[in-house]
Amino acid sequence: GDSVTQMEGPVTLSEEAFLTINCTYTATGYPSLFWYVQYPGEGLQLLLKATKADDKGSNKGFEATYRKETTSFHLEKGSVQVSDSAVYFCALSERGGYQKVTFGTGTKLQVIP
Amino acid sequence: EPEVTQTPSHQVTQMGQEVILRCVPISNHLYFYWYRQILGQKVEFLVSFYNNEISEKSEIFDDQFSVERPDGSNFTLKIRSTKLEDSAMYFCASRGQGMNTGELFFGEGSRLTVL
Repeated sequence: GDSVTQMEGPVTLSEEAFLTINCTYTATGYPSLFWYVQYPGEGLQLLLKATKADDKGSNKGFEATYRKETTSFHLEKGSVQVSDSAVYFCALSERGGYQKVTFGTGTKLQVIP
Repeated sequence: EPEVTQTPSHQVTQMGQEVILRCVPISNHLYFYWYRQILGQKVEFLVSFYNNEISEKSEIFDDQFSVERPDGSNFTLKIRSTKLEDSAMYFCASRGQGMNTGELFFGEGSRLTVL
């Protein structure tokens, strides 16, 4: 079945540092890829998405590129802020119908001033 | 902006009691889902629901769980006899027809604490 593997956390960075959170996937079809973010005490919010190979999703300074050849969708941000502290989930969904979203285990990011 | 709403935000119950978690999906959406997140752990799929029937369910979704769309707006998750290990955050999600990119819209979650 489909699965998502992302790097273990927690990740602790100083403010303005560069962020990379690695994510790889296995899928039977041609999935859409997502990063969801969960701020402390809150629900899941879609951060960005990409629906086909070489697409780059971006939002709030975060970026991720759909790499079909390496089955990866790494999350990056050039300069993190304290407000970016959250848990980040890589996820995929097969297309069409009632297809569910499959999540990775989540990576906790803590940004210190 | 339309959103998925869930009630209650937090429920505390005694082991063995029945619990119903409620969700109001986005109004024109047709696919509905429940997910569970045990504190600090991954977000796990429970069940998907379409056209008034379950379309897929996970191993977690055993006979103690049921889902229902009792009217045109609500989507409920019932746990018949709660166990300690049912303590978790439960997220409802929905998706519209033709949204073939697979994106789900999540509610804020209902935290269930079983004592």
